[in-house]
This record gives sequence, structure tokens and C-alpha cells, in this order.
Amino acid sequence: DSGVTQTPKHLITATGQRVTLRCSPRSGDLSVYWYQQSLDQGLQFLIQYYNGEERAKGNILERFSAQQFPDLHSELNLSSLELGDSALYFCASSGHPLGNSPLHFGNGTRLTVT
Amino acid sequence: DAKTTQPNSMESNEEEPVHLPCNHSTISGTDYIHWYRQLPSQGPEYVIHGLTSNVNNRMASLAIAEDRKSSTLILHRATLRDAAVYYCILRDVASNTGKLIFGQGTTLQVKP
Repeated sequence: DSGVTQTPKHLITATGQRVTLRCSPRSGDLSVYWYQQSLDQGLQFLIQYYNGEERAKGNILERFSAQQFPDLHSELNLSSLELGDSALYFCASSGHPLGNSPLHFGNGTRLTVT
Repeated sequence: DAKTTQPNSMESNEEEPVHLPCNHSTISGTDYIHWYRQLPSQGPEYVIHGLTSNVNNRMASLAIAEDRKSSTLILHRATLRDAAVYYCILRDVASNTGKLIFGQGTTLQVKP
């Protein structure tokens, strides 16, 4: 058990809809990272937050947004969903970004857009 | 981000050692070598990391070439549970993010 909790485990929705994925980091971790994993693209880094502020941005679409709340949990919002957004979405957490504290990953949310 | 090159797939027999290679010829002085693995239907899992010296932990050993342009992850006795995708990643310790950029990794099959 990594200590990172992601909800829901599965999500099925229709094109054009909006969903929110939730992540609770490991106790004490201030950094949260979001990744998307699809069959043809592998694990893609989306965005990172550290202590409530955006720290790094990757290949995140404009239709997607995220935030980290004062209690350190994070949410990834996906809107105007398309079939191609179907993927596994992973959240990870770690300690301070400087240094080598490992990333701890949750077991993901599987999003299916129909 | 500096890139790594790994074989797409490898096979091993159960209870035998496995050596997973990784090339990183453009590694910089502040890049640490990290290994993660992803078991089926799970999120990636940290395995080990190192800078210059060889490293050992309860999961594996990491052997780093003297010029740091390559490294090898060693599983001393493969079990069926070690079947996974193994990712070799360079992480710049001087970066202010700590993010990991994953490549395609090596899919390890373990035969009983």
C-alpha cells in the first residue's frame, strides 16, 4: 500500500461531459503529481503541485485543470470529454521536490468515455 | 530531460538472476538514475536509485558504469511477482520539480 488514495477507481461517462478525479497524498507529502496512461502513449506527466501551488506543467490539455487544496488533497478536472481521453489517471505524491524522495503512486482511476 | 534507452522486452526464468540494462549517454552531473516498476493493473512502484556508486536494497541492486553512461538493474532471484514493466529514469536533483518522465520501459516476463 503506497498510502496514496485515488477515487473513484472506475468512471464511465459520455463524450462532452465533465468529471473530477480525486487524490489524497501520503501523509506528510506536500507534492502531488498527475499522470495519464493510455495504451498508445504510455505514462504521460500532466501537472505537479507543491504545497498548493502549481510547480510544473507537462502535456496537459487546456480542457483539463487541477488544483491542490489546503489539506493537500488534489483534484483533476477533465471537461468536454472526448473518446481519446479514455485512460488510466494516476496520482503520485512525494516530499520536497528538491532531492530524491521517491514518488509514491496510487492505483489509478480508470476513465472510460463512451 | 535527458533520455534513456531500454530494451522493449526481456525474459527470465523463475529463481534466476535478471539483469535489466539502461543506456543514458547524455546523462548530466546532477542526474540521478531512478528505477520504477509497474505491475499489471497497478501504479508504478519505486525500486531503487543511485548517482555514481552501486546501490543495494531489499528489492534489487543497481550497478552504475564508471562513466555513468549506462546502468543495470539486478534482480537477484526473479519470482513470478517480478513480472512487470521496468522503467529507468533520469531525475535531475537540481530541478525544482522532482517530476519523473517515463519512457517505454522494459517488459519483463518471468517463466516458471
